[in-house]
Amino acid sequence: AQTVTQSQPEMSVQEAETVTLSCTYDTSESDYYLFWYKQPPSRQMILVIRQEAYKQQNATENRFSVNFQKAAKSFSLKISDSQLGDAAMYFCAYRTPRNSGNTPLVFGKGTRLSVIA
Amino acid sequence: GAVVSQHPSWVICKSGTSVKIECRSLDFQATTMFWYRQFPKQSLMLMATSNEGSKATYEQGVEKDKFLINHASLTLSTLTVTSAHPEDSSFYICSARRTDTITDTQYFGPGTRLTVL
Repeated sequence: AQTVTQSQPEMSVQEAETVTLSCTYDTSESDYYLFWYKQPPSRQMILVIRQEAYKQQNATENRFSVNFQKAAKSFSLKISDSQLGDAAMYFCAYRTPRNSGNTPLVFGKGTRLSVIA
Repeated sequence: GAVVSQHPSWVICKSGTSVKIECRSLDFQATTMFWYRQFPKQSLMLMATSNEGSKATYEQGVEKDKFLINHASLTLSTLTVTSAHPEDSSFYICSARRTDTITDTQYFGPGTRLTVL
């Protein structure tokens, strides 16, 4: 079974600085998707970024970027120029592609990020 | 991004009563929806996978007779907590999988906070 591990329960970062959240996963599949979701205090899950395993290029979305190391099964999230609104719980998630059926997301336990003004 | 609504956003009920939670995909059709439960400061726990026009698939340990799921249309899934008890108090989140684009991404509703007295 696939598993996702987030080894940092809590992280903090100064406003305008950069922070990296770690995620590792375990799978025997060669094709899959990886995601980072953000859950602010409102508890609405928001998709931050996604990465297809077959793509070697790391995904980026404005201030958010990932470091995808397929061989190491690592998928870290880098937040640049951190803002107060980035404070939230961040979940790393894994899923196999649609052709594998109705497979749900597998979530890590989350990392709580605090942003210090 | 796609929009998923959930209703009600919060509900308080007496022990022994039943509560229905609705999940709607507002701007896309979803053949598959997922229901999660989240305890405070914890990750999302998958309860069941809801498929349009067929029976839901429940995760191990989830009572199908207690948590009734109906996916009657391509835009609506409902979760009914039957004979609710205080231990059912939790935050319930639905998610709809959008497969009509190349991104094949899950979008989440805002959640429902259930309190059973």
